[in-house]
Amino acid sequence: DTAVSQTPKYLVTQMGNDKSIKCEQNLGHDTMYWYKQDSKKFLKIMFSYNNKELIINETVPNRFSPKSPDKAHLNLHINSLELGDSAVYFCASSQHGHPNYGYTFGSGTRLTVV
Amino acid sequence: TQLLEQSPQFLSIQEGENLTVYCNSSSVFSSLQWYRQEPGEGPVLLVTVVTGGEVKKLKRLTFQFGDARKDSSLHITAAQPGDTGLYLCAGPTTYNFNKFYFGSGTKLNVKP
Repeated sequence: DTAVSQTPKYLVTQMGNDKSIKCEQNLGHDTMYWYKQDSKKFLKIMFSYNNKELIINETVPNRFSPKSPDKAHLNLHINSLELGDSAVYFCASSQHGHPNYGYTFGSGTRLTVV
Repeated sequence: TQLLEQSPQFLSIQEGENLTVYCNSSSVFSSLQWYRQEPGEGPVLLVTVVTGGEVKKLKRLTFQFGDARKDSSLHITAAQPGDTGLYLCAGPTTYNFNKFYFGSGTKLNVKP
C-alpha cells in the first residue's frame, strides 16, 4: 500500500521534448507538492496545491505546469525540456493546518535530459 | 544562501561512534522536522520538535530544538551502518505557516 506513488521512476529524454510525471496519494491528505532535488541534494519547493487550488508557485519557468484533477492527484508537465531540468523530482503530500505531522514523500522521478 | 544551513555537509565515521548534526537559521521557525533520505527514495520523517528547548528521543537519536527556535541538533549515539543516509531538517517559519524550507542536508556514512 504505497502512500505516495509517482511514475515513472526514471525518465530519460532528449532536449526539446515534452514529458509528464504523475503523482497519486492515498493518505486522504488535502495538500500536495512538487519538489526538485538538485545534484547537491538540495530540496526546493516548486508548487503546492490545496484541494485542487494552487497555493504556492515558486519562481519556476513557465515550461513547468502542474495540474491537480482532484486532491489525491498532482501531475507535472514539462515542455521543451532543457539540460538544466535534469534532477530528481519528488511529489509529497500533507494535511493542511497540521504542519507538525510532516510531509510524506514519493520515491522520486529521476529525470535525465540528454 | 539557504534559510536553513546544516553542518557538517558530509560525515564519515566508524560504527559505534557518536555524532551531532546541526541545523541553523537566522529566522524563527514554528517547528522543525528531521528527515532521513536513503538513496533512490524520498525523505522520511523522523521527528517534529515544536517548543523552544524541546528534546525528543528516538532510540539512539536525540533531537533538540533551540530555545529561540532558530536552530536544532540531531545527536546519534553509537552509530550503526543502518544510520547511513542524508539527514535533512525542515520547517515553516513563523511568517509563512504554509511554506516549508528544507536544510542543505548532511550526508552521513557509517562504516562497519
